Amino acid sequence: AQSVTQLGSHVSVSEGALVLLRCNYSSSVPPYLFWYVQYPNQGLQLLLKYTSAATLVKGINGFEAEFKKSETSFHLTKPSAHMRDAAEYFCAVTFYGNNRLAFGKGNQVVVIP
Amino acid sequence: EPEVTQTPSHQVTQMGQEVILRCVPISNHLYFYWYRQILGQKVEFLVSFYNNEISEKSEIFDDQFSVERPDGSNFTLKIRSTKLEDSAMYFCASSDGLKSSYEQYFGPGTRLTVT
Repeated sequence: AQSVTQLGSHVSVSEGALVLLRCNYSSSVPPYLFWYVQYPNQGLQLLLKYTSAATLVKGINGFEAEFKKSETSFHLTKPSAHMRDAAEYFCAVTFYGNNRLAFGKGNQVVVIP
Repeated sequence: EPEVTQTPSHQVTQMGQEVILRCVPISNHLYFYWYRQILGQKVEFLVSFYNNEISEKSEIFDDQFSVERPDGSNFTLKIRSTKLEDSAMYFCASSDGLKSSYEQYFGPGTRLTVT
């Protein structure tokens, strides 16, 4: 079954510094990969997605992620953190589409002024 | 922009009671899902629904749970005889099923508290 690994539940980053959240997946077939963000007391909002097109994917709020098949990774980055980026970030995988999403444990991002 | 809505936002119930969580998916979507997130844990898949029937369910989705699309707009999750461990945030999601995206759109969630 497909699965996702996100290491480090809490990530602290200084305002203006690089945000890097790691996601590794396990799938025996080509995956569809997603990053979702959850702000306090809100639902899940899609940041970006990989669906077998370009390997470097740009999303909302300045985030991007690169699909690396050889490393089975889909790490999320943002060059310069803002205070408003403080939230929980989830990596998720599915395959063949329209199936269940398998989520990672999430990264709680804290932005330090 | 179309969005998935869920009611109520917070439901408190006593152990052993039945609850119904309601969702209105995006109108032209064909696939519907329920997920839950127990406090401090990952988001877990419960069930998917397509063409008026369950297309996939997880091991969590046992006889205590049921889903229904009673009309053309609502999608409900019923939990019979609630247990303390059912306390969680329940998310509804929907998808248009197009191969171009496979994106699932999530609602804001219903926080269920079982006392």
